[in-house]
Amino acid sequence: AQKITQTQPGMFVQEKEAVTLDCTYDTSDQSYGLFWYKQPSSGEMIFLIYQGSYDEQNATEGRYSLNFQKARKSANLVISASQLGDSAMYFCAFEDNYGQNFVFGPGTRLSVLP
Amino acid sequence: GAGVSQTPSNKVTEKGKYVELRCDPISGHTALYWYRQSLGQGPEFLIYFQGTGAADDSGLPNDRFFAVRPEGSVSTLKIQRTERGDSAVYLCASSLGTGDIQYFGAGTRLSVL
Repeated sequence: AQKITQTQPGMFVQEKEAVTLDCTYDTSDQSYGLFWYKQPSSGEMIFLIYQGSYDEQNATEGRYSLNFQKARKSANLVISASQLGDSAMYFCAFEDNYGQNFVFGPGTRLSVLP
Repeated sequence: GAGVSQTPSNKVTEKGKYVELRCDPISGHTALYWYRQSLGQGPEFLIYFQGTGAADDSGLPNDRFFAVRPEGSVSTLKIQRTERGDSAVYLCASSLGTGDIQYFGAGTRLSVL
């Protein structure tokens, strides 16, 4: 079974600085997808960014980018120019080639300091 | 357009009672997912539907949990003989199809006393 590891239970970053949230995964699949979601205190899961395992370029969406290293099985989220509104839980998630076996990591709580 | 809607937002029940949680997906989304999220943890997959059929129900913890999606749109998660350990936030998500981006509702917070 696939497993997602997020080794940082909590992270602090100064406003306007960049921060990297780590995510590693364990799979024997060759084709799969990786997602990052943000969950503010309101509880709703907000999609941020997606990376397919065969995508040649790292995904970017505005201030979010994904540092994807397939050989190391890591898919770290980079948030540039942090804002106070970025304070939330961040979850890395995996899905297999068939769009199934959707697994979330334990999450990282990011706190942005003014 | 409207996002994924879940009702009720909060549900308090007594141990042993039956509860139903409703999810109204984004219009046109054929895939629908249910997750359970305990405090301080990531969401845990329960079941997913492609159209009216349950394509994967491997995450349902036991036979007290059941979900339906009779017309391929609204889904209901049903929990029989609730236990205190069932207390959690139940999240619903929908996507255009299998493997597409999942969009989540705000969840139903279930408290079993």
